[in-house]
Amino acid sequence: DAGVTQSPTHLIKTRGQQVTLRCSPKSGHDTVSWYQQALGQGPQFIFQYYEEEERQRGNFPDRFSGHQFPNYSSELNVNALLLGDSALYLCASSLNYRTGDNNEKLFFGSGTQLSVL
Amino acid sequence: RKEVEQDPGPFNVPEGATVAFNCTYSNSASQSFFWYRQDCRKEPKLLMSVYSSGNEDGRFTAQLNRASQYISLLIRDSKLSDSATYLCVVNVRGGAGTALIFGKGTTLSVSS
Repeated sequence: DAGVTQSPTHLIKTRGQQVTLRCSPKSGHDTVSWYQQALGQGPQFIFQYYEEEERQRGNFPDRFSGHQFPNYSSELNVNALLLGDSALYLCASSLNYRTGDNNEKLFFGSGTQLSVL
Repeated sequence: RKEVEQDPGPFNVPEGATVAFNCTYSNSASQSFFWYRQDCRKEPKLLMSVYSSGNEDGRFTAQLNRASQYISLLIRDSKLSDSATYLCVVNVRGGAGTALIFGKGTTLSVSS
């Protein structure tokens, strides 16, 4: 049973570029959330996808966008990269509580370390 | 005020010590509470959920006081392997499911 997988593991970009990060949720999970973790900080919620739609969003600018595919996998896109976007980007999957399963536990992938130079 | 605030760290303790972490949250509508553990450069992993009645898992005890909006984690008989960052987490329910709000984390270093 594969857990949450993310790719790539590391990425180096320059300011102004665009980046796409990918995530495959844990088998059986249908909801994907993305978090940004800067050095020395806790993870910050970016947004959450379910049924291919963005359902919740944290306090992040429109430069951050995402997508969820029919197979529940997801992408995070960041445009016009800034130095401050350098962080560990974590994907987490869960099962939608509306399905009747009250499992609120998130399973995290090992993250993508993005460095913006 | 931050949504989730934790004790500033780091905590440096010898093996066998008892250490307590405290956390406060600002959103009274928060419904679920957790402690996550994060090792250096790794993803966060759920340590335990926190219930109003208090719950214990081996050497770890978690407590929740909804009236005070306060969460605690007690670690007894600290082991070297307990060295990590401990993240206080509250659940904000909305939309499709769970959005977790994390504290900044408190780093624990257990030495021999």
